[in-house]
Amino acid sequence: EAQVTQNPRYLITVTGKKLTVTCSQNMNHEYMSWYRQDPGLGLRQIYYSMNVEVTDKGDVPEGYKVSRKEKRNFPLILESPSPNQTSLYFCASSAYRVGPYEQYFGPGTRLTVT
Amino acid sequence: AQSVTQLDSQVPVFEEAPVELRCNYSSSVSVYLFWYVQYPNQGLQLLLKYLSGSTLVKGINGFEAEFNKSQTSFHLRKPSVHISDTAEYFCAVSDDGTSYGKLTFGQGTILTVHP
Repeated sequence: EAQVTQNPRYLITVTGKKLTVTCSQNMNHEYMSWYRQDPGLGLRQIYYSMNVEVTDKGDVPEGYKVSRKEKRNFPLILESPSPNQTSLYFCASSAYRVGPYEQYFGPGTRLTVT
Repeated sequence: AQSVTQLDSQVPVFEEAPVELRCNYSSSVSVYLFWYVQYPNQGLQLLLKYLSGSTLVKGINGFEAEFNKSQTSFHLRKPSVHISDTAEYFCAVSDDGTSYGKLTFGQGTILTVHP
């Protein structure tokens, strides 16, 4: 089954404790992206990657890091989480080279930073 | 830069009534337009998309949307809603390639269908 998976689905942590949210897709997609969803703001892009070793900032990259060492994986790293990063996070992927940009979303990770 | 505005944050409606969720966008280039649905505690699912061609697009679950280039709108409609349509709906736009497939989302519209 074609899918995007994220782990963990729920995470409660404390300020400053480094964490990683994993994202994996089995569709051989080149393009992967991270979004955060906040009430009244919709989804905003954090980082995206057009292929292995190619990443770039989205609209709200501060406080986040990403890496793309393998085509299927695109982890999101919060090196020093703060309460304003409490949010619902979604990973997405698409076959960019085929186009046109229909993105497939993971189930989401709800992060709470206390 | 592109932007999306969903004109209603919440839309309450009774079961079997028609509904329209409004979406306006701005972009300096040609765009692709999408509607996604998010059911409670779930991820986003593509409802329908406009890429080119006919301006009336049909999607899953009986939804349809009309692309109006002159009014830069992409409103979502359903002639008769069900309780199961209760969800949050997001309009999104992607341009023709200059921003590498980035989706810009609207703020979302919560559709609540009452019995």
